[in-house]
Amino acid sequence: NAGVTQTPKFRVLKTGQSMTLLCAQDMNHEYMYWYRQDPGMGLRLIHYSVGEGTTAKGEVPDGYNVSRLKKQNFLLGLESAAPSQTSVYFCASRLRRGSYQPQHFGDGTRLSIL
Amino acid sequence: SQQGEEDPQALSIQEGENATMNCSYKTSINNLQWYRQNSGRGLVHLILIRSNEREKHSGRLRVTLDTSKKSSSLLITASRAADTASYFCATAGSGNTGKLIFGQGTTLQVKP
Repeated sequence: NAGVTQTPKFRVLKTGQSMTLLCAQDMNHEYMYWYRQDPGMGLRLIHYSVGEGTTAKGEVPDGYNVSRLKKQNFLLGLESAAPSQTSVYFCASRLRRGSYQPQHFGDGTRLSIL
Repeated sequence: SQQGEEDPQALSIQEGENATMNCSYKTSINNLQWYRQNSGRGLVHLILIRSNEREKHSGRLRVTLDTSKKSSSLLITASRAADTASYFCATAGSGNTGKLIFGQGTTLQVKP
């Protein structure tokens, strides 16, 4: 039981390049989330999904797109990377049932944009 | 924008001492959660307290919640070097999306 797995763990991009971050969970969770974490700050929500085929914007969605074609996977895309998107990206998932469920996190993707 | 403030931003104590971290938030909540983050790792859920609860315990952790002051505290008793990590509070609203709003975190160093 791997929990939440993020791929890749590290990546360096040049400004203007595109890439996709993959999040996979094996807990059959309905809800999934993408966050970014910058130095000295907590996590900020980028996009989230409450079920297969549905996505919604979070607090800082600009410059990112997401897709949830399969329940277990949540993809985060950067179409044209900018230095301001240098950050650590975390994926999380959660059961839908009830109001008192915790989120389960992956170990992050460290992304540098040069 | 961040939900609230965590205080202190950094805390350094000796092994065996107690560590107290505080969290304030701005809007009404359904529950408040505390997470730990070890260096280079993801967040791990520690404890959840519902809005109608005032105190909750889990092992060496004690969480209090004061909704009238919109604040919470996390107490770690008899700290160990392995408790060295960053600690984040996160608030959940009443919606059905499960979204959390995180504080900036407290970095705890426990010296052996």
